[in-house]
Amino acid sequence: KNEVEQSPQNLTAQEGEFITINCSYSVGISALHWLQQHPGGGIVSLFMLSSGKKKHGRLIATINIQEKHSSLHITASHPRDSAVYICAVSSNTGNQFYFGTGTSLTVIP
Amino acid sequence: NAGVMQNPRHLVRRRGQEARLRCSPMKGHSHVYWYRQLPEEGLKFMVYLQKENIIDESGMPKERFSAEFPKEGPSILRIQQVVRGDSAAYFCASSPSRTKTGNTIYFGEGSWLTVV
Repeated sequence: KNEVEQSPQNLTAQEGEFITINCSYSVGISALHWLQQHPGGGIVSLFMLSSGKKKHGRLIATINIQEKHSSLHITASHPRDSAVYICAVSSNTGNQFYFGTGTSLTVIP
Repeated sequence: NAGVMQNPRHLVRRRGQEARLRCSPMKGHSHVYWYRQLPEEGLKFMVYLQKENIIDESGMPKERFSAEFPKEGPSILRIQQVVRGDSAAYFCASSPSRTKTGNTIYFGEGSWLTVV
């Protein structure tokens, strides 16, 4: 079983839709990260959070430490949001990051 | 302030050759991490280094792979006698201190290795 599970694996949305990507983890963490990876491209860190909620533009990330669950929301989705979104956690017992397998998002105009 | 710089971005090697991937962390960052992303798979931790020290190499294959982060210059991930299964994207990331303390981590653009 992976330390980090994401759902859904693939997601197709119409432009303007509200999108939610979920992440559950099973290890103790010091922080949770949401990353964005464009096709053939590098990785950008969107959020790092250890509690509560953060907002950046149309992106919102929340975390529930007790339930070991985080969500990434995209409001008013746009085709340029099409990418793979990866949930990652930094373990509080070692030096590692654990990664989810990613959610491939396609936003159709 | 330049981000994490990786080069080359794309590298093609024949089976049996050596591949060297370089990573310059962000200015002021002394912690470097290497990750591998195999086709259709997620990112996997390989090694964590500080200047001149390997802190955690639990994700590194036991043979043919090595990493260093010298006092001067970039971190280098070296793969000897490459095989087709080494074809992957290799990502470097850096942070100002250990991720255990919850610092933001910054990724490079990745180096895509293709073994033919």
